[in-house]
Amino acid sequence: GEDVEQSLFLSVREGDSSVINCTYTDSSSTYLYWYKQEPGAGLQLLTYIFSNMDMKQDQRLTVLLNKKDKHLSLRIADTQTGDSAIYFCAERNQGGKLIFGQGTELSVKP
Amino acid sequence: EPEVTQTPSHQVTQMGQEVILRCVPISNHLYFYWYRQILGQKVEFLVSFYNNEISEKSEIFDDQFSVERPDGSNFTLKIRSTKLEDSAMYFCASSEAPTGRGNQPQHFGDGTRLSIL
Repeated sequence: GEDVEQSLFLSVREGDSSVINCTYTDSSSTYLYWYKQEPGAGLQLLTYIFSNMDMKQDQRLTVLLNKKDKHLSLRIADTQTGDSAIYFCAERNQGGKLIFGQGTELSVKP
Repeated sequence: EPEVTQTPSHQVTQMGQEVILRCVPISNHLYFYWYRQILGQKVEFLVSFYNNEISEKSEIFDDQFSVERPDGSNFTLKIRSTKLEDSAMYFCASSEAPTGRGNQPQHFGDGTRLSIL
């Protein structure tokens, strides 16, 4: 079946890089997404990658996709305290619905 | 930047009562979705809606749930007779084009926290 898994917590120091990992099961996924959720807020689209790409860079964000291993990662360079949030990985299935991971809570310490 | 807006932000309802959650999708979007997140659990897909009909629904979306686009701008989720286990954050989302025609990411509202007593 369709499933997306993430580790629950990540703690880094300000200025370091953060790497949030995600694995998924549906090999027919067309797009994979990263959403950010700050406390009390909705899901903010951060970035996405098409399934035939290996890498996408967008300012401080780098997405890496290993389609063979069904592994997706989000790297945040020069992590700031404002990056503290929950980060959700999601895959879009052929029908269009998003299947989410459980979210990784990123804590950035000064 | 255009946003998806949801009202109310928090709804408290007695078990067994009907509740309607409201959403105003982004104006040129054509695809609409509801998701929910029970506290401590994953965000789960409930239903997608296009061209005035349901495109896909999950097994959560049983006969107690219905969706409607009553007036061309609002998109509502109705729960007919609420249960304790319906307590969750409900997110509305919209996207610009039908699925499969390039990447049209889903944009989410801030959610409605539904508490059933």
